[in-house]
Amino acid sequence: GESVGLHLPTLSVQEGDNSIINCAYSNSASDYFIWYKQESGKGPQFIIDIRSNMDKRQGQRVTVLLNKTVKHLSLQIAATQPGDSAVYFCAEGANSKLTFGKGITLSVRP
Amino acid sequence: KAGVTQTPRYLIKTRGQQVTLSCSPISGHRSVSWYQQTPGQGLQFLFEYFSETQRNKGNFPGRFSGRQFSNSRSEMNVSTLELGDSALYLCASTSTLDTDTQYFGPGTRLTVL
Repeated sequence: GESVGLHLPTLSVQEGDNSIINCAYSNSASDYFIWYKQESGKGPQFIIDIRSNMDKRQGQRVTVLLNKTVKHLSLQIAATQPGDSAVYFCAEGANSKLTFGKGITLSVRP
Repeated sequence: KAGVTQTPRYLIKTRGQQVTLSCSPISGHRSVSWYQQTPGQGLQFLFEYFSETQRNKGNFPGRFSGRQFSNSRSEMNVSTLELGDSALYLCASTSTLDTDTQYFGPGTRLTVL
């Protein structure tokens, strides 16, 4: 598969626990934010997004929190499953252009 | 609905050669963006095309170019390949109805020897 996580920080969680993945963004003018999941050998897969006028958005087992004051974004995954193991990227967007963070590897222990 | 497709999936070239990668967006999507992904630099934006016009451009040298056809399919070209061009090249398409979310293809793994 594709080696996209060679130099990325790793978050290790126990199966069934909740995971929190954090991201700091840089552009205060960004008006939307997206979390992507990338598994080995695949392209990034959309998880959830949030616009800058919101501070929380929930999906199925996932919640994204946005703190514009400190330019911080987090992804919470409830009841983490082995299939959640992947590299997670946050991306900030403005004018149809996305800027990606470096990514974090989520490893789920059985 | 079929997802974004990219061809070829894997490619090996030597320094100095040129390469063309192809991307077919999701049906109905008119915007196509290209990214380069490497372990050291992560995902970096190359350019975006909409209705056959380059709408945004990242900070890559002129050796990297692209185009979009009337059916929204896009190609990117890299001339005079360098070892550092070895990367996963990703294409993403965006719906005109939801101009924020980009949907990615599986990528083309380019290795330059």
